[in-house]
Amino acid sequence: SQQGEEDPQALSIQEGENATMNCSYKTSINNLQWYRQNSGRGLVHLILIRSNEREKHSGRLRVTLDTSKKSSSLLITASRAADTASYFCATADGDSSYKLIFGSGTRLLVRP
Amino acid sequence: DAGVIQSPRHEVTEMGQEVTLRCKPISGHDYLFWYRQTMMRGLELLIYFNNNVPIDDSGMPEDRFSAKMPNASFSTLKIQPSEPRDSAVYFCASSSRYTQYFGPGTRLTVL
Repeated sequence: SQQGEEDPQALSIQEGENATMNCSYKTSINNLQWYRQNSGRGLVHLILIRSNEREKHSGRLRVTLDTSKKSSSLLITASRAADTASYFCATADGDSSYKLIFGSGTRLLVRP
Repeated sequence: DAGVIQSPRHEVTEMGQEVTLRCKPISGHDYLFWYRQTMMRGLELLIYFNNNVPIDDSGMPEDRFSAKMPNASFSTLKIQPSEPRDSAVYFCASSSRYTQYFGPGTRLTVL
């Protein structure tokens, strides 16, 4: 079963705009990760946020985590055409921290 | 480091044939994961190993699927006999801690 569910399923924006994707999960977690997948490629790790963290930054990426609402968001600022990809959240539970359950993903299209 | 290596990259076979997918994890990583990705079901974890030992194979769909890891640098996923519904992209990933590193995947088509 899927632990994380992303919203929206698809997002189309203009280059330079910000993109926000949301993820909801069901059970308690040890950490939450975001991955990117370009068409026809494997997933690439973007950022990890631990359950005791509320916000984390990496370059143009900002991730927030609200454990009370069991939700996370990924913000990509000043988007570029190269950001076009699918974005997945993945959660690991406390018992099997190395086993990840991936959501269904958000397909992001950045129009030049 | 070359990253996670998978072979073949594409496989087309006929129903009933045996299919073997191969994976070489990143050196030093002690976890290895096999996933399957389809449009309908998304990304599913099939099985994962720790130090070459299978830890959780609850995602393996049926007895037609089997996976082995004879040593730290090699793993196989075998489907015998294959069926059209096995058509998917199969990914191998490895990790030493929380972050997983994915291979390029094997696109399997069963006719």
